[in-house]
Amino acid sequence: GQNIDQPTEMTATEGAIVQINCTYQTSGFNGLFWYQQHAGEAPTFLSYNVLDGLEEKGRFSSFLSRSKGYSYLLLKELQMKDSASYLCAVMDSNYQLIWGAGTKLIIKP
Amino acid sequence: GAGVSQSPSNKVTEKGKDVELRCDPISGHTALYWYRQSLGQGLEFLIYFQGNSAPDKSGLPSDRFSAERTGGSVSTLTIQRTQQEDSAVYLCASSFRRQGAREKLFFGSGTQLSVL
Repeated sequence: GQNIDQPTEMTATEGAIVQINCTYQTSGFNGLFWYQQHAGEAPTFLSYNVLDGLEEKGRFSSFLSRSKGYSYLLLKELQMKDSASYLCAVMDSNYQLIWGAGTKLIIKP
Repeated sequence: GAGVSQSPSNKVTEKGKDVELRCDPISGHTALYWYRQSLGQGLEFLIYFQGNSAPDKSGLPSDRFSAERTGGSVSTLTIQRTQQEDSAVYLCASSFRRQGAREKLFFGSGTQLSVL
């Protein structure tokens, strides 16, 4: 079956760096997405990776290794507003999005 | 509108009743998805509409669930004879198209359904 694994919860300190990992096993691969979801709000798009390597976008970076079925989202200079759930999703060979359960990130002052 | 709009934002119903959830996608978006999100679970795909093509209903959990999309725009998800296990947040998302290298979904804020 298809599977996306990410940690359930992580805690980090304001101003620090945190890395949220995502491993996947899917039928084919057409890209990996990261979304941010604040409590009670809609998920919003953060990043998309389809080739191996690091994509940097401001304080957020996303990395992909297709051979390892692995991605991470790196958040730098953490701010309190970064407290949210981070959802990893993989597009399979049928262009279906397979979603992880999300990682709840708690930022402490 | 500027974003995906869903109504109602909250719905409390009694077991056995029917409910209708509405989604108004971003104007011009041809693809529309319905997902279900339960606490601590990933997004569960329910149904997908793309233009005038027949919808992909492969994610609907039972025949109590149905959805339609009128005029390629507004969509309604109907749950008949609701059960307590139907309680969840129902999210709608739209995008410009499905296939392609970069399908960014725009989500609504969801409908929190509580079945008592």
